[in-house]
Amino acid sequence: EAAVTQSPRNKVTVTGGNVTLSCRQTNSHNYMYWYRQDTGHGLRLIHYSYGAGNLQIGDVPDGYKATRTTQEDFFLLLELASPSQTSLYFCASKGHNQDTQYFGPGTRLLVL
Amino acid sequence: GDSVTQTEGPVTLSEGTSLTVNCSYETKQYPTLFWYVQYPGEGPQLLFKVPKANEKGSNRGFEATYNKEATSFHLQKASVQESDSAVYYCALSDMDSNYQLIWGSGTKLIIKP
Repeated sequence: EAAVTQSPRNKVTVTGGNVTLSCRQTNSHNYMYWYRQDTGHGLRLIHYSYGAGNLQIGDVPDGYKATRTTQEDFFLLLELASPSQTSLYFCASKGHNQDTQYFGPGTRLLVL
Repeated sequence: GDSVTQTEGPVTLSEGTSLTVNCSYETKQYPTLFWYVQYPGEGPQLLFKVPKANEKGSNRGFEATYNKEATSFHLQKASVQESDSAVYYCALSDMDSNYQLIWGSGTKLIIKP
């Protein structure tokens, strides 16, 4: 079973604050993803990467940066957090030539 | 572009009744179709997938048939249990999506004992 971990699990910040969400996968997967989940919108893709140093823009990238430092680690950066970014964030990974994504447990972010 | 539309929730059922969650898709390609399930407090996990038209996928008593003519992939279960309470996502992956998942909006299922 694929293992994806996220930290922190919960985070509270203020408007204008700087937040970094972390994701690590230990399955040597090439692809990693950041999603946000909001009631009425389901899962929306923010950014994804197919390897260290690579970054692809998803469907809702505004206000978010991401960086893939290693095969295992993918970070989501909110440099000027806004209340509209209050959400549940999921990281996922997928192997090359595979189609199943494996999700982490999520990070709940509250921006006051 | 590709899209997936599914039953809007929440859907509330009594234990022991049957379930259908509708899923329709649009694509010009030949997709693989997926159902994911998300239990409370967890990330989504694969329920099952079907890569070929006219084939059926199943897991944990749930099943769905890839209907290419109707462009549908409806999730069914004959008798639901309280433990089936979760959010269910239909999704597709194909060449047009660069083999990334295109998600439906999710259907929250509430099963009352």
